[in-house]
Amino acid sequence: DSGVTQTPKHLITATGQRVTLRCSPRSGDLSVYWYQQSLDQGLQFLIQYYNGEERAKGNILERFSAQQFPDLHSELNLSSLELGDSALYFCASSRSTGTSYEQYFGPGTRLTVT
Amino acid sequence: EDKVVQSPLSLVVHEGDTVTLNCSYEVTNFRSLLWYKQEKKAPTFLFMLTSSGIEKKSGRLSSILDKKELFSILNITATQTGDSAIYLCAVGEYGNKLVFGAGTILRVKS
Repeated sequence: DSGVTQTPKHLITATGQRVTLRCSPRSGDLSVYWYQQSLDQGLQFLIQYYNGEERAKGNILERFSAQQFPDLHSELNLSSLELGDSALYFCASSRSTGTSYEQYFGPGTRLTVT
Repeated sequence: EDKVVQSPLSLVVHEGDTVTLNCSYEVTNFRSLLWYKQEKKAPTFLFMLTSSGIEKKSGRLSSILDKKELFSILNITATQTGDSAIYLCAVGEYGNKLVFGAGTILRVKS
């Protein structure tokens, strides 16, 4: 158990809908990262927040957005869902910002878009 | 474009064998290389390497980085069925981005 929690574990929704995924980082960690893992794309970095502010953006679609709240939990919002958005979404956290700090992953949310 | 390539893609061994997993990379501003083990769901952190030639060890697992030749290896000795997993290599660049390889699927047969 990494100490990173994610809810929900599974989510099934229809195309065109909007969903929110939630992540709580390990105690003391200030950075939160979001990743998408699909069979054909592997693990792809989406976005990072550090202490409430966006720090880095990866391959995140415009339909997706995220935020980090004052208590450091983070939410990833996915809208206008398409079948291709079906994937495992991971949240990871680290003590600080920058890739000198190891990232610890949560258990993931499996999103199925039908 | 930044690239992390792992080999082999998959591997089947018997319990007690030693395996070597490879990770080569091409990134613009290298900062660190990380190994993760992914079983059913979440990747579990194994090692972070930042300096060439310094071996990191944890039990039967060890890893080393060669920054001149741009690769790392992960060794597992005396493999057990519990080592069966996907092993992911990721390279951290200056900034905050981790670039992951596709992974090596290891299956250890009893």
